[in-house]
Amino acid sequence: DIQMTQSPSSLSASVGDRVTITCRASQSVSSYLNWYQVKPGKAPNLLIYAVSSLQSGVPSRFSGSGSGTDFTLTISSLQPEDFAIYYCQQSYSTPRMFGQGTKVEIK
Amino acid sequence: EVLLVESGGGLVQPGGSLRLSCAASAFTFSNFWMNWVRQAPGKGPEWVASIKRDGSEKYYVDSVKGRFTISRDNAENSLYLQMDSLRAEDTAVYYCARDSVTAARVMDVWGQGTTVTVSS
Repeated sequence: DIQMTQSPSSLSASVGDRVTITCRASQSVSSYLNWYQVKPGKAPNLLIYAVSSLQSGVPSRFSGSGSGTDFTLTISSLQPEDFAIYYCQQSYSTPRMFGQGTKVEIK
Repeated sequence: EVLLVESGGGLVQPGGSLRLSCAASAFTFSNFWMNWVRQAPGKGPEWVASIKRDGSEKYYVDSVKGRFTISRDNAENSLYLQMDSLRAEDTAVYYCARDSVTAARVMDVWGQGTTVTVSS
């Protein structure tokens, strides 16, 4: 199985801050890397797919980059509605593993 | 509006069975791979199973192989998860999720989830 490791596990930031979350795969996942946002009591919401493609309806302050084994999710200017847990997920092979999550909290 | 609505969750004793359903609407269900994903309390999401458009291919995470069965009825626009020999560690919110047709194996639409609790 391909293991996904995110860092940091949590971070505190203020509205307007630039936030970067890192995801590392235990082996190459090519460009099959996706990012989800999860809020309490809600289903995961797809933000970014195929490393850097923005899902329809997702604000442009979200962006993704990377290749192979190392990937990044960036929020250019954090908004109040962005406080949530973010998960990377590989769709290169089965099982489609998720990272352990990064909790973005209000400073 | 594209919708997925899960049902069938509840409280079940260890070793028991449960069948989850997912009703799809506002899209051509038979054109999409479908999935079950679960999220245990305080944990991240875990992909559980996938099924091909016509039901001819099915994939499972190792921890549920031999105990869970994914199936679908395209005439009824419905997805199912038969869960047998349930264990405490199967306790989670279970979501059905649709695979995108434009990006392989990307889950782009999710239901609201149904809660399964395995406890005596």
